[in-house]
Amino acid sequence: GEDVEQSLFLSVREGDSSVINCTYTDSSSTYLYWYKQEPGAGLQLLTYIFSNMDMKQDQRLTVLLNKKDKHLSLRIADTQTGDSAIYFCAETPPPGSYIPTFGRGTSLIVHP
Amino acid sequence: NAGVTQTPKFQVLKTGQSMTLQCAQDMNHNSMYWYRQDPGMGLRLIYYSASEGTTDKGEVPNGYNVSRLNKREFSLRLESAAPSQTSVYFCASSEDPGSSYEQYFGPGTRLTVT
Repeated sequence: GEDVEQSLFLSVREGDSSVINCTYTDSSSTYLYWYKQEPGAGLQLLTYIFSNMDMKQDQRLTVLLNKKDKHLSLRIADTQTGDSAIYFCAETPPPGSYIPTFGRGTSLIVHP
Repeated sequence: NAGVTQTPKFQVLKTGQSMTLQCAQDMNHNSMYWYRQDPGMGLRLIYYSASEGTTDKGEVPNGYNVSRLNKREFSLRLESAAPSQTSVYFCASSEDPGSSYEQYFGPGTRLTVT
């Protein structure tokens, strides 16, 4: 199976909160990341969390990390149509590797 | 800083034709990568270069070659294009392991092989 797993789609109404979930397998990951890909563009780092943290908040974004369950989530408060994008979860390369592991991405669709 | 730049943005090839996708970064990063993105498949690593002078295969290297021309530039070559290589190609660069290791992506090259 995949090292990093995400559901493929999420649909929310404008103004609601969105929660995108991710599970990972490498307990040695130092950082866990959320990247955002807008239509027709490359990926851009949205936020990341250091593995010794449980939570990180940045304006409308809240990242929660449960190391015991290897579960990462991204909550977007007051979701707007401009938040419609694909969100990728990723983890640091394992020791000795240069290759981070990405999930397949969750397509967030925000409708009025 | 321009970040990571890729050329061309779009390309249509006939089966059997060859082409080189160009990538350059101005962030003095050691590591560079080529990915392809297909619907429902996420990102798949084709090749990467941990430092100038080194290249290594990723998950899906067949049909591709790469050149790390210098620290800034990392090119991807399709010697004989096939319809299965129709995809969006992204180049990325990153800091070394030990830092936050954020990856910086280019805008992509949309390739269609007919």
